[in-house]
Parts: sequence; structure tokens; C-alpha cells
Amino acid sequence: DTAVSQTPKYLVTQMGNDKSIKCEQNLGHDTMYWYKQDSKKFLKIMFSYNNKELIINETVPNRFSPKSPDKAHLNLHINSLELGDSAVYFCASSQGQASEKLFFGSGTQLSVL
Amino acid sequence: QQQVKQSPQSLIVQKGGISIINCAYENTAFDYFPWYQQFPGKGPALLIAIRPDVSEKKEGRFTISFNKSAKQFSLHIMDSQPGDSATYFCAASKTGSARQLTFGSGTQLTVLP
Repeated sequence: DTAVSQTPKYLVTQMGNDKSIKCEQNLGHDTMYWYKQDSKKFLKIMFSYNNKELIINETVPNRFSPKSPDKAHLNLHINSLELGDSAVYFCASSQGQASEKLFFGSGTQLSVL
Repeated sequence: QQQVKQSPQSLIVQKGGISIINCAYENTAFDYFPWYQQFPGKGPALLIAIRPDVSEKKEGRFTISFNKSAKQFSLHIMDSQPGDSATYFCAASKTGSARQLTFGSGTQLTVLP
């Protein structure tokens, strides 16, 4: 069983479109994250949720909106996609805000044409 | 501001050789230093971690060396194998704060057979 699963694996779309990425974890963790990995592989945190509540919102355009329907799911919706949004987006989870170990999903490669 | 600087960007090692990746940090409040391993098409996975109360930690062929005064730490992979070929990320945070984990820029390791 995959611990942290993301869908879709690949997402190719036109500029200006709206798209969503879904994430689910079956580890029983209560803290989930979205990370962005750029073309140079640099990993940067975007959002963090704890028990469905937003606890971190880094400097991310408000076109990006995370939603956590329950503590096992954290989805990412992106409006009005831009070329610069092309990247790999990783969902991750940890056992509580105080836990240091992150468990990552396999990523969603987003390509905006 | 890049708080964790990692080098080299890429590294090629012969099978059986030693791979060494270096990281330097700026924030003296950091007290947790993990290394993550990422294979192509996968998310990063925790490999090994150290706290500043020890200068070295070893797990199998992987060793972290830590120099608190120099604010540097490094990953040594002994007897490197082709299966070790991956991207390695160092990171740093304060204890109990995965959401504040700051990653280095990554090192792409290739181990030649």
C-alpha cells in the first residue's frame, strides 16, 4: 500500500486553465504539506495543514489554494495556470507538527504549455 | 536567503568508491539535520539524520559527519553502489518542526558500474 499517494502523476495543460492535484495519506498522520520542486530540483514548502487547518502559507500566489476535507487528504487547486507554474509538486505528511520526519508522495509533474 | 548550501551539484563516483556531499547552514537555531534520498520519479525519502549532540552518525554504508563550530555537515557513502545513484538533499530545522525544514539544493550522484 502506498503511504502517500498523489494523482495525477503527470498533468499537461494550457496556460490559463484551472487544475487540481489530489493527495491522500494512509499513515494516520495529522499534518500534511505541499512542496514545489523546480527544474533545478530545489524543494520549497508551499503549504502545511494540521488537522485540516492551515498552519503555513509561504509566499505563494493566491492562484494556489489548498483544501483539506479531512486530515488524510490535502488537495491543491491552481487557477489561471502560468508557464512558471511548471514544476513537480510533492505532497508530504508527518506525524504531527512536532514530528521531523516527512513522508513524501511520488510527485505530480505539471507542465503548462 | 539560502539557509542551507549544498555542494557539489553533481557527483560521479566509481563503484566501490566513497561519495561525499557537503552542506553548510547559517541559522544557529537549527538542531536537526536530515538527509533525504530521491530516486527518479519518486519523492524524497529520509535516509539518515543527526542532531548536534554527536559529531558522527553511521547507518550501514551511510555516515553523517557534523561540525557544529563550522556549521557544516556531510554525508559519506562508503562502498558506493550503482543502486545509490539518486539525488541527495541535506536539510535543517529546529527540533520538532518538520514544517520549517529547509532543504539544500540537491546533489545528483551517479555511481558507475
